[in-house]
Amino acid sequence: AQKVTQTQTSISVVEKTTVTMDCVYETRDSSYFLFWYKQTASGEIVFLIRQDSYKKENATVGHYSLNFQKPKSSIGLIITATQIEDSAVYFCAMRGTQVVGQLTFGRGTRLQVYA
Amino acid sequence: AQTIHQWPVAEIKAVGSPLSLGCTIKGKSSPNLYWYWQATGGTLQQLFYSITVGQVESVVQLNLSASRPKDDQFILSTEKLLLSHSGFYLCAWRMTGGNYAEQFFGPGTRLTVL
Repeated sequence: AQKVTQTQTSISVVEKTTVTMDCVYETRDSSYFLFWYKQTASGEIVFLIRQDSYKKENATVGHYSLNFQKPKSSIGLIITATQIEDSAVYFCAMRGTQVVGQLTFGRGTRLQVYA
Repeated sequence: AQTIHQWPVAEIKAVGSPLSLGCTIKGKSSPNLYWYWQATGGTLQQLFYSITVGQVESVVQLNLSASRPKDDQFILSTEKLLLSHSGFYLCAWRMTGGNYAEQFFGPGTRLTVL
């Protein structure tokens, strides 16, 4: 069974700074996908970025980047130059290959960005 | 461009009453479809998935059922609501084939069971 753990319940930062959110995962699959999503105050869930397990390079999309440490089963999300509108709950998720499209989510980390 | 629509936006229902939630995907042919449930302040739990019309697989048993009557439609239902069914229900889709792994979510339906 897959498991995703986010230990940080909430983080507060001043805008324009860089924040890192942690996520560790467990799986027996040799190939898997890792994702980060954010949930806004309205409940909307937005896909941010993805890392394929076989890729050594860390994924980057806009001001989101990943710190993928496969030996540690860790996939951290880095947000640079944070903005007020980045305030949201961030979920780490993973998908293995055994069940079609089954995503396992972590409990989420609430990010509050202050002016 | 693809659009995903969920209905209703919100529901308040009595314990023991029936429920039907819907999801429609436009602009994508034969996507994989998923239902998720989120308790208030909680994480997302996948409930069902469907890879084709008429075929639905259950991931977690919560006294709910799902059906896919059309390629672009996914329905979540139950004949008798429980208090524990309260929460946020989200429909998601994923393109098939190629290197598509990420799922995209609809706006969700907030359900309150009293």
